[in-house]
Amino acid sequence: AQKITQTQPGMFVQEKEAVTLDCTYDTSDPSYGLFWYKQPSSGEMIFLIYQGSYDQQNATEGRYSLNFQKARKSANLVISASQLGDSAMYFCAMRENYGQNFVFGPGTRLSVLP
Amino acid sequence: EAGVVQSPRYKIIEKKQPVAFWCNPISGHNTLYWYRQNLGQGPELLIRYENEEAVDDSQLPKDRFSAERLKGVDSTLKIQPAELGDSAVYLCASSLDVRLGTEAFFGQGTRLTVV
Repeated sequence: AQKITQTQPGMFVQEKEAVTLDCTYDTSDPSYGLFWYKQPSSGEMIFLIYQGSYDQQNATEGRYSLNFQKARKSANLVISASQLGDSAMYFCAMRENYGQNFVFGPGTRLSVLP
Repeated sequence: EAGVVQSPRYKIIEKKQPVAFWCNPISGHNTLYWYRQNLGQGPELLIRYENEEAVDDSQLPKDRFSAERLKGVDSTLKIQPAELGDSAVYLCASSLDVRLGTEAFFGQGTRLTVV
């Protein structure tokens, strides 16, 4: 069964500093994809970054990067140079090649302090 | 290009009443999802459509929930009768296909309050 764990219910970071949001996953499917979404208070889920299980390099998208450690089954999101607008809920999600659905973790609430 | 559109944004109903949510996915997206998000939790899948076919409804409480996707475009999710525990945000999402790297695009959701 799929499972996504996000052990940090809440995180604080000072503006302009970097922050790492943790995500570990569990799957027996060798082919899978990992996604991070941001959910501001408005409610819409915004796609941030994707990492495939067979990708050799860690994904990067602007200020977002994914620290993918396959052997540890972890896919941590790194946000560099935090901005006040980064304050939101962040969800890690996985999609197995077999299941094809997006399975989400419980989320981490990030608060960026001025 | 318009994103995923959901309506209504908010709905308050009394328990035992019926309620329906509507979703218009991004044009050309074959896959449509309905998720339920309880307060402080991650979204949980209710049903997934490929075109007009419901390919995964294993998590849909079929005694009171129903869904349809006419002509493989718009979709409606219905609850009848609603219970207090159904209070949640109902999210609709669509994706171009089911390839691993294809992200899902979400609507703003419908916040349901059952009183």
